Amino acid sequence: AQSVTQPDIHITVSEGASLELRCNYSYGATPYLFWYVQSPGQGLQLLLKYFSGDTLVQGIKGFEAEFKRSQSSFNLRKPSVHWSDAAEYFCAVGARGYSTLTFGKGTMLLVSP
Amino acid sequence: NAGVTQTPKFQVLKTGQSMTLQCAQDMNHNSMYWYRQDPGMGLRLIYYSASEGTTDKGEVPNGYNVSRLNKREFSLRLESAAPSQTSVYFCASSEEVAGVNSPLHFGNGTRLTVT
Repeated sequence: AQSVTQPDIHITVSEGASLELRCNYSYGATPYLFWYVQSPGQGLQLLLKYFSGDTLVQGIKGFEAEFKRSQSSFNLRKPSVHWSDAAEYFCAVGARGYSTLTFGKGTMLLVSP
Repeated sequence: NAGVTQTPKFQVLKTGQSMTLQCAQDMNHNSMYWYRQDPGMGLRLIYYSASEGTTDKGEVPNGYNVSRLNKREFSLRLESAAPSQTSVYFCASSEEVAGVNSPLHFGNGTRLTVT
């Protein structure tokens, strides 16, 4: 069965420091990969997506993610975190032939001054 | 451009009461979804509608029913609410079912408490 793992429930990063959020997946087919962000009291907003081609994808708000097939990972990165990046981040995976996406359980990002 | 609109935003029910959560999208999307979000559980799919006229069960369908009223609207009904259904409910839509270029667009959620 397909699954998505976000190993870190909470991460605290100092403002201005770099960030990496981890996502590992288990899928039988070639995956389509997404990162979403959820601010408090809001719905989820798409940050970036990977379907094929260049394994390093750029998203909104200065985020990027790298698909590593050999490690079954799709980690999210940002070079310099801003206080407004504090939110919950969800990795999601889909594949052709599957009707829905599978979401990870989320990583809560806290940004310290 | 409203995107995905959910009503109501908040609701408190007593055990055994019924209610319908409404969802409408104005993006001409074919597929619509209902998720519930619980602390530490992420998002779990309740039901989805791949296209107008079809609905299918997701991961946690028990206690819920859905209606795809037309292409724009997809409602979720709780016939007899239980405390275990206390959650935040999200409606989402996409151009096609979890396809290559079909990210999900989410509403802002309905926070439901069942006492």
